Amino acid sequence: KQEVTQIPAALSVPEGENLVLNCSFTDSAIYNLQWFRQDPGKGLTSLLLIQSSQREQTSGRLNASLDKSSGRSTLYIAASQPGDSATYLCAVMPGSYIPTFGRGTSLIVHP
Amino acid sequence: GAVVSQHPSRVICKSGTSVKIECRSLDFQATTMFWYRQFPKQSLMLMATSNEGSKATYEQGVEKDKFLINHASLTLSTLTVTSAHPEDSSFYICSARDQGGQETQYFGPGTRLLVL
Repeated sequence: KQEVTQIPAALSVPEGENLVLNCSFTDSAIYNLQWFRQDPGKGLTSLLLIQSSQREQTSGRLNASLDKSSGRSTLYIAASQPGDSATYLCAVMPGSYIPTFGRGTSLIVHP
Repeated sequence: GAVVSQHPSRVICKSGTSVKIECRSLDFQATTMFWYRQFPKQSLMLMATSNEGSKATYEQGVEKDKFLINHASLTLSTLTVTSAHPEDSSFYICSARDQGGQETQYFGPGTRLLVL
């Protein structure tokens, strides 16, 4: 059974810092991996999708990497801003396309 | 990108009543949609997989008679919470899989259900 762990569970940083959020998974037989953002009381917004054949994806200040062999993915946020405050979820998609989610990292960026 | 909508966004109902939540893929066809439930400060938990034209597949521990799922078209799936009780109060999110793209799942904005 796939298990997804996200570390840290919570993070509070001053504005401007570069951040690394970690996601680890136990079964490397994945189809792709997605990072999502969730604002309080809201649904999910997809940030980055990494196919199993890829090693990283970039979108603006966000960069996600994937190392299947070690079962790890990282989400790098450059020059963090207060608007980045949210919960960040990692989801691992197997071939069945039914994802397993981590519990998320709750991020607060204070001015 | 592709958009998935949910309606209503928020609903308050009395215990014992039924509530229907709609999930629509607005600009793509989705033969498969997923329904999730999220309790406060917890991750999403898959409830069921909805396939167009066939019965939904429910996850272990999810009562199919209580959470009725209908996927009548390629763009619409509905979740009906029957005889709702306060413990059904939760955040319900649907997602739709775009088979034409990178097999990405697009998530709806969620529906917050409060049962009094």
